[in-house]
Amino acid sequence: KNQVEQSPQSLIILEGKNCTLQCNYTVSPFSNLRWYKQDTGRGPVSLTIMTFSENTKSNGRYTATLDADTKQSSLHITASQLSDSASYICVVSRFNTNAGKSTFGDGTTLTVKP
Amino acid sequence: NAGVTQTPKFQVLKTGQSMTLQCAQDMNHEYMSWYRQDPGMGLRLIHYSVGAGITDQGEVPNGYNVSRSTTEDFPLRLLSAAPSQTSVYFCASSYRGATEAFFGQGTRLTVV
Repeated sequence: KNQVEQSPQSLIILEGKNCTLQCNYTVSPFSNLRWYKQDTGRGPVSLTIMTFSENTKSNGRYTATLDADTKQSSLHITASQLSDSASYICVVSRFNTNAGKSTFGDGTTLTVKP
Repeated sequence: NAGVTQTPKFQVLKTGQSMTLQCAQDMNHEYMSWYRQDPGMGLRLIHYSVGAGITDQGEVPNGYNVSRSTTEDFPLRLLSAAPSQTSVYFCASSYRGATEAFFGQGTRLTVV
């Protein structure tokens, strides 16, 4: 069964600290992996998208890594800000799926405290 | 550029009532989809469309209907609302299925 597991489920850090969120998947064959940020009460917004050949992609203070061999991805947030408080969702898509059926993780809820 | 627009933002229905959640996008995206998000759970795919006139079921389609008469619009119909359909509904669009998706702001639906 195609699955996406995210850890931790929730995380609390102090403003200015770094943190890393994990995403492990069993989706096969692999097409791409996306990270989304979802603020409370709003729709998800794309942070990064990585294909099989990419192992690192950055978007400002957000850096995603991908190890397609071990089927693991991480999202590293540097110098956290209060506005980083949100749910972070990992999404993995299957290769050649024109219908675009993707598997969503349950998300990691990040709280940044002053 | 409005992106993906969902209406209404909030809705309360009585059990058995029907209604349509509206979704419109102005990015000329081929692919549109509907998700529901329940507390503490991930997004679950209800229905999706790969282009005008083409729709297919997702993971949790029961109790919902969709149609895609134009590229821009993808309404979701609840046939006979049930309390189990209380959720937040998100519409999304993308150029193709497995690419970056743009989400609407969501519709918070409560069925009493």
